Amino acid sequence: GESVGLHLPTLSVQEGDNSIINCAYSNSASDYFIWYKQESGKGPQFIIDIRSNMDKRQGQRVTVLLNKTVKHLSLQIAATQPGDSAVYFCAENPGGATNKLIFGTGTLLAVQP
Amino acid sequence: KAGVTQTPRYLIKTRGQQVTLSCSPISGHRSVSWYQQTPGQGLQFLFEYFSETQRNKGNFPGRFSGRQFSNSRSEMNVSTLELGDSALYLCASSSTGFGGEKLFFGSGTQLSVL
Repeated sequence: GESVGLHLPTLSVQEGDNSIINCAYSNSASDYFIWYKQESGKGPQFIIDIRSNMDKRQGQRVTVLLNKTVKHLSLQIAATQPGDSAVYFCAENPGGATNKLIFGTGTLLAVQP
Repeated sequence: KAGVTQTPRYLIKTRGQQVTLSCSPISGHRSVSWYQQTPGQGLQFLFEYFSETQRNKGNFPGRFSGRQFSNSRSEMNVSTLELGDSALYLCASSSTGFGGEKLFFGSGTQLSVL
């Protein structure tokens, strides 16, 4: 398959700290990227997106950075809260007239109170 | 606006049976995609529908099929179930089929094959 989920990295942070979740994407032609949050028993929830003509985009408490040179995405969460505990996935759209997404492995964010 | 609705929420089947899963997209959305999520393989793309036409298909055997109706609702079918088909099946919708859009996911159907 195109998405490998053999091992789920874990990031453990203290409540109130900033979190940075990293992701390497596979296709240099990908032109649209999304971060999703998935809580137990739920489907992925949209957090923030960015297009390939940008290198940074900010939302409420979240920032996405895109480095096309090294095919790297990161999600920064400011003042992390216990409710942020979840699995975070990056996803890339390979371009063209399709909404197909290729998902990364996922990172488990554990927020310690 | 109601979100993406998937039914049933849970399903238990035995090997060799077939199953049909249903997805109602967000009202006004015309594109529906399906994904399989397993602990071992993560989230994998199954297929994408737009205006009742399958536009894209992932690397899954022909036992996996789907369709989209004129009201944008979609179904996927898995025939001759295998143990390895146990997974969370997720449906996602987006407003148009132009590509590079946000996908909004449902809560999924958890399929267990015994």
